[in-house]
Amino acid sequence: QKEVEQNSGPLSVPEGAIASLNCTYSDRVSQSFFWYRQYSGKSPELIMSIYSNGDKEDGRFTAQLNKASQYVSLLIRDSQPSDSATYLCAVNMRERGSGNTGKLIFGQGTTLQVKP
Amino acid sequence: GAVVSQHPSRVICKSGTSVKIECRSLDFQATTMFWYRQFPKQSLMLMATSNEGSKATYEQGVEKDKFLINHASLTLSTLTVTSAHPEDSSFYICSARDRRQFYEQYFGPGTRLTVT
Repeated sequence: QKEVEQNSGPLSVPEGAIASLNCTYSDRVSQSFFWYRQYSGKSPELIMSIYSNGDKEDGRFTAQLNKASQYVSLLIRDSQPSDSATYLCAVNMRERGSGNTGKLIFGQGTTLQVKP
Repeated sequence: GAVVSQHPSRVICKSGTSVKIECRSLDFQATTMFWYRQFPKQSLMLMATSNEGSKATYEQGVEKDKFLINHASLTLSTLTVTSAHPEDSSFYICSARDRRQFYEQYFGPGTRLTVT
């Protein structure tokens, strides 16, 4: 089992709809959770971070975390064609024997296509 | 805030030569920087973790004598690809962790290396 899993997609939604991106992570003492957006040929850009259970909203983006279910999601409201990109889920995990090195474990990413 | 630069953005070199890539945090101090490699249509692969003033920690399978990392100050880390070969052609991306923040990493724009 991969440590961080995402559906690779593509996830296709019409413009104006809500896009829902999901991520699950393996059973470790996970500390922090991040969503990055990566446009083709570019480097990742941090869009959301979440540390405690529940919802966190920032503009059109809402991150949801459920540590009991080992699940983190990203909702994008009023999706725009400019949101079309690959979304990477990243988890900071404490490793046995090494403590917290600050390393992030990335999922393989979900490609989102927003159609006009 | 949280801007990371990389130089050069693109480099073409001949097989057998060495290439140095610089990563700078422009508006914050980064105790830890990370170096990633990304092949087309694949996710990020962490190569090494670089801490200021100490030796880098390499991920399993990454040759430390081939990928030399130096983190001389709180704002600068360098990656040198020694004796480059065509299979080293890839997108190299650094990230930096702001010492004032939890575990968020901010990515540089990346360096596209082509070895001919």
